[in-house]
Amino acid sequence: QVTLKESGPGMLQPSKTLSLTCSFSGFSLSTSGMVVSWIRQPSGKSLEWLAAIDWDGDKYYNPSLKSRLTVSKDTSNTQVFLKITSVDTADTATYYCARTDGTYYYFDYWGQGVMVTVSS
Amino acid sequence: DIVLTQSPALAVSLGQRATISCKTNQNVDYYGNSYMHWYQQKPGQQPKLLIYLASNLASGIPARFSGRGSGTDFTLTIDPVEADDTATYYCQQSRNLWTFGGGTKLELK
Repeated sequence: QVTLKESGPGMLQPSKTLSLTCSFSGFSLSTSGMVVSWIRQPSGKSLEWLAAIDWDGDKYYNPSLKSRLTVSKDTSNTQVFLKITSVDTADTATYYCARTDGTYYYFDYWGQGVMVTVSS
Repeated sequence: DIVLTQSPALAVSLGQRATISCKTNQNVDYYGNSYMHWYQQKPGQQPKLLIYLASNLASGIPARFSGRGSGTDFTLTIDPVEADDTATYYCQQSRNLWTFGGGTKLELK
């Protein structure tokens, strides 16, 4: 059974760095072809893909946010991390991680999401 | 960037057919596959995969849902619509990185 769960600070101040963790089970990111992605959704708005990391450690970023994003994974291949620097109120959103099919790149399993509010 | 355009809302009657469209500004076909996928999202829940590669039903999704299209024009059809289908539906391309459409909110008349 594939499950993913996001965790984060809940609230942080503008200009700080947001750190998110995606913990997953039911698959390993060391398996050839595996990919995990980060996607966010401001309240009442659409989905925005942020970043992805694959089994081989290759990283992919949304070009419009690339300078602020860093995606990484742990050595046990059961967690993926996302850091967003210099946050502002526009980064307030629910953040999801999702397992990504490694051949056709659709998101087949999603976490429940974690809400992050940026406020002073 | 590949931009996906969806109509914001659609209202249909129970038991009728709902057709949701998604248009892209670039071709998302590659080697015989259309890299277009569809998701359903209900309030307070994460998105759920419905259709992948334009027309393939994801596991556990009822056959009332279907998808078709190629190139730059795609549709998701729900027939017949049930009350539980009220949700927002998103298209997503994976031909070049990943982008989503703005979503279509399906409501009942």
